[in-house]
Amino acid sequence: QKEVEQNSGPLSVPEGAIASLNCTYSDRGSQSFFWYRQYSGKSPELIMFIYSNGDKEDGRFTAQLNKASQYVSLLIRDSQPSDSATYLCAAGSGNTGKLIFGQGTTLQVKP
Amino acid sequence: GAGVSQSPSNKVTEKGKDVELRCDPISGHTALYWYRQSLGQGLEFLIYFQGNSAPDKSGLPSDRFSAERTGGSVSTLTIQRTQQEDSAVYLCASSLDLQGGKEAFFGQGTRLTVV
Repeated sequence: QKEVEQNSGPLSVPEGAIASLNCTYSDRGSQSFFWYRQYSGKSPELIMFIYSNGDKEDGRFTAQLNKASQYVSLLIRDSQPSDSATYLCAAGSGNTGKLIFGQGTTLQVKP
Repeated sequence: GAGVSQSPSNKVTEKGKDVELRCDPISGHTALYWYRQSLGQGLEFLIYFQGNSAPDKSGLPSDRFSAERTGGSVSTLTIQRTQQEDSAVYLCASSLDLQGGKEAFFGQGTRLTVV
């Protein structure tokens, strides 16, 4: 079992819709969770982080964390074609500090 | 510096040669990570540093790979006797520390091509 799992996609949504990206993790010691956006040929860019159960909103982005279910999600409201990218979920171990990434989900927002 | 800086941005080397990749983290960041990303793949964890020490070296693919960090700042990743399967983008990230501000920020990467 991979430590952080994501559906590779592609996830295709129309412009203006809500995109929902999901991630599960296996290490119950994980304390911190991150979403990165990676455009083709570029390095990952941090867009959201969440440490506590519940929702965290920042502009059009909402991160959701459920530690009991070992589940993290990212919602993108009013999706734009410029949101088309690969979204990487990462989990940081509270014990070791190791930061592990999922394989990423490719999002396509169609005009 | 303002961001994580990696050099060189591109490196083409012949099979069997040694290469050294450099990462200069954000000023004041004590944690530093190295990852490898092959074409179309996810980020493969290689090693991380807290200060100058590397608590976990388990991600290094073979004993041809080594990394060090000096002065709690610049880190170098060395690959000896490079092989074609070493071709990838090598990414470095830094964060304020491992316990508190864990948000990690990436450099632009070094694209390594072994021919």
